[in-house]
Amino acid sequence: EVQLVQSGAEVKKPGESLNLSCKVSGYVFSSRWIGWVRQTPEKRLEWLGIIWPGDSDTRYSPSFEGQVTISADESIDTAYLQWSSLKASDSAMYYCARYDSRGYGFEYWGRGTLVTVSS
Amino acid sequence: DIQLTQSPSTLSASLRDRVTITCRASQSINDWLAWYQQKPGKAPKLLIYKASTLQSGVSSRFSGSGSGTEFTLTISSLQPDDFATYYCQQYNNFFRAFGQGTKLEIK
Repeated sequence: EVQLVQSGAEVKKPGESLNLSCKVSGYVFSSRWIGWVRQTPEKRLEWLGIIWPGDSDTRYSPSFEGQVTISADESIDTAYLQWSSLKASDSAMYYCARYDSRGYGFEYWGRGTLVTVSS
Repeated sequence: DIQLTQSPSTLSASLRDRVTITCRASQSINDWLAWYQQKPGKAPKLLIYKASTLQSGVSSRFSGSGSGTEFTLTISSLQPDDFATYYCQQYNNFFRAFGQGTKLEIK
């Protein structure tokens, strides 16, 4: 059974760093694109980017490139979403999700991690 | 960047109604479109990919059509479990934009 288990909710202050994790099981981690999707408080879904864990090929949305870093550690089947300096506007629910074999859509999703950034 | 516009933003319907949600792309995306369903407090669920192919395990009451710039998601005979928010997503390139969502409510 494919599972994506995300780290717990975070409350941070502006300017702080943050690292979200997504540990996968039930399939070969290096064999599928895995990505991150943000859901705003207004319920909009925003595609942040994806990574191919096999070679760390990473693609970002133009809106998020330079704002976040996506990485993966094959040794522990875990993908990461990182910020070096959070802003209040980063407050949202963040999902990790895995593409299907053809890259048509996100077939499996984590349960989401709620990030709150407030002074 | 390709923009996706869904209509309507909110749709009120009754049980056993047939409803259609539209997704328009700002440029042609062939049939590279997926539809998702999201219920409150849950992650989105993939319903349809390649505009009209039903994801495994998804009810045949859901159907998709369209190509180029205009696409539709149709739900025949609405059931209580269908009241949710629906999103389209293009995958014409690596950057995968979502539509803004359509909330399907009980009338």
